[in-house]
Amino acid sequence: AQSVTQLDSQVPVFEEAPVELRCNYSSSVSVYLFWYVQYPNQGLQLLLKYLSGSTLVKGINGFEAEFNKSQTSFHLRKPSVHISDTAEYFCAVKTSYDKVIFGPGTSLSVIP
Amino acid sequence: DTAVSQTPKYLVTQMGNDKSIKCEQNLGHDTMYWYKQDSKKFLKIMFSYNNKELIINETVPNRFSPKSPDKAHLNLHINSLELGDSAVYFCASSQDLTGYGYTFGSGTRLTVV
Repeated sequence: AQSVTQLDSQVPVFEEAPVELRCNYSSSVSVYLFWYVQYPNQGLQLLLKYLSGSTLVKGINGFEAEFNKSQTSFHLRKPSVHISDTAEYFCAVKTSYDKVIFGPGTSLSVIP
Repeated sequence: DTAVSQTPKYLVTQMGNDKSIKCEQNLGHDTMYWYKQDSKKFLKIMFSYNNKELIINETVPNRFSPKSPDKAHLNLHINSLELGDSAVYFCASSQDLTGYGYTFGSGTRLTVV
């Protein structure tokens, strides 16, 4: 069975600093990987996804993620964060027609 | 136009009551889902429907019954509400069963008192 681990439950970072949110997954078969963002009192919004091809994936709002098959990781990065990036970030994984499994989430707090 | 809309946004009710949450999507997607988000933000799938057919039915109490009158609507009815049902319930849709990216509704915050 597949699972998703997000190693940091909370990440505080100063405005304009870089940030990396870590995600590791476990699966015995090929996976598709996603990052979603949830702003306060809102639903989840797809940031980016990896289905195949280039391991570096660019998403919305200046975020990018890199798929590393050997380390079974899909870490999310942004070179310079803004106050508006304060939100909950969820990593998710699925295989073929199986259901999407979400990680426990990482709360990103951007400090002015 | 809201792509995936849920009503109501907030729902406060007493234990033992029966309530429904409605969800509609105008994206032309074939597949719809219900997720439950607990107080620790953990998201768990409850049900998924594809073209009105139940595809995923996780280990959810049978007090929860989804209904899909057509592929644009997926409603959730909950009988005999319990304190532990308090959570945020999200509806989502995807183009098809491959699920390469969901569109979520804004959620229904259910509080059982």
